[in-house]
Amino acid sequence: NAGVMQNPRHLVRRRGQEARLRCSPMKGHSHVYWYRQLPEEGLKFMVYLQKENIIDESGMPKERFSAEFPKEGPSILRIQQVVRGDSAAYFCASSPRDRGANTEAFFGQGTRLTVV
Amino acid sequence: AQKVTQAQTEISVVEKEDVTLDCVYETRDTTYYLFWYKQPPSGELVFLIRRNSFDEQNEISGRYSWNFQKSTSSFNFTITASQVVDSAVYFCALSEEGDYKLSFGAGTTVTVRA
Repeated sequence: NAGVMQNPRHLVRRRGQEARLRCSPMKGHSHVYWYRQLPEEGLKFMVYLQKENIIDESGMPKERFSAEFPKEGPSILRIQQVVRGDSAAYFCASSPRDRGANTEAFFGQGTRLTVV
Repeated sequence: AQKVTQAQTEISVVEKEDVTLDCVYETRDTTYYLFWYKQPPSGELVFLIRRNSFDEQNEISGRYSWNFQKSTSSFNFTITASQVVDSAVYFCALSEEGDYKLSFGAGTTVTVRA
């Protein structure tokens, strides 16, 4: 699972700033999933993307949050006008195909966002 | 609705003791997958095991073993002869057939004291 690369590992933003979290999937993986881990909680699904497509964003807050996975380059989770409640660890996972086939999803090391 | 329940919030043991982590899940599907992940203090998520609903055989991997009981909807995890390096948060997760999402339990923090 070390093949999923997330950066930065730690990100500090002031309230009102934008946060951009990047995720490069494992080589050969075309499916990316973002999860959020609030302090002392388990991970919660946010969004599932394939190249150039958002498949399911049912777990993503309706406002200020967006995600993309362009044809070239990493997947980006973008949080606009961050608030203290956005402070969390954000994990990205990738799989070679739709996990409806239930392949393992391999997780990156996470980005820890702190909003001050 | 909570699909995965890890009732133990924290467990503290002395090195070399065995520790069992409970995981109870809830699903109406007949085909589903259960996972355990380890999150050490460094924060990454380490995949430990995936088990499908049709395979009730218990599994052993070194000091780790898993007990899958469909009758009680449980997928418990035991660490035998614990070591300090086992100190971590352990998450149980469920994935239902045709669904790519993982539903995670709240995690159990294991502290192994020397």
